[in-house]
Amino acid sequence: DVKVTQSSRYLVKRTGEKVFLECVQDMDHENMFWYRQDPGLGLRLIYFSYDVKMKEKGDIPEGYSVSREKKERFSLILESASTNQTSMYLCASTKSGADQPQHFGDGTRLSIL
Amino acid sequence: GEDVEQSLFLSVREGDSSVINCTYTDSSSTYLYWYKQEPGAGLQLLTYIFSNMDMKQDQRLTVLLNKKDKHLSLRIADTQTGDSAIYFCAESFSGTYKYIFGTGTRLKVLA
Repeated sequence: DVKVTQSSRYLVKRTGEKVFLECVQDMDHENMFWYRQDPGLGLRLIYFSYDVKMKEKGDIPEGYSVSREKKERFSLILESASTNQTSMYLCASTKSGADQPQHFGDGTRLSIL
Repeated sequence: GEDVEQSLFLSVREGDSSVINCTYTDSSSTYLYWYKQEPGAGLQLLTYIFSNMDMKQDQRLTVLLNKKDKHLSLRIADTQTGDSAIYFCAESFSGTYKYIFGTGTRLKVLA
């Protein structure tokens, strides 16, 4: 079974802080994704990566950056956290190629005060 | 534009069948998926169907795809209280990393 692990289930940070969300997968998947999930808005793609050091913007990249230094790890960075970034963040991975089933982590519920 | 719609809520009695529906606008998808999300957790892949198939059965789950009507459904036989969750349908598209998710249907199973 694919295991996608997000480092924190719950996180509370303050406005203006730099926040790191970590995601690790153990199935040697090439592709990794970061989404945020908000009530009534479903899942929205922030960034994805199809290889080490490669990244592509999703639908809502503003205020976020990402890092993929190793194949198994994909980090989401909130450069200067704001209250409107309070949300559930979900990481996903897929094996090589496009159009593959996504496997999700358990999510990080982030609150920005 | 691209859109995937689901009804917000469904309530069924334990032991009955549940049918969760999804309609979509972009018929160029290659795969359609069903995910389950339990409270406080991520999305768990339940099953998926290739777009040239009409039906797929996997134990208690049956997926029906009507491409003409752009309608996807998930039937859960003998629904149990452990099936209570939010169910998402999603599409993916050949040669792209794009996935479109519905807003989810909350299934409540009454004992």
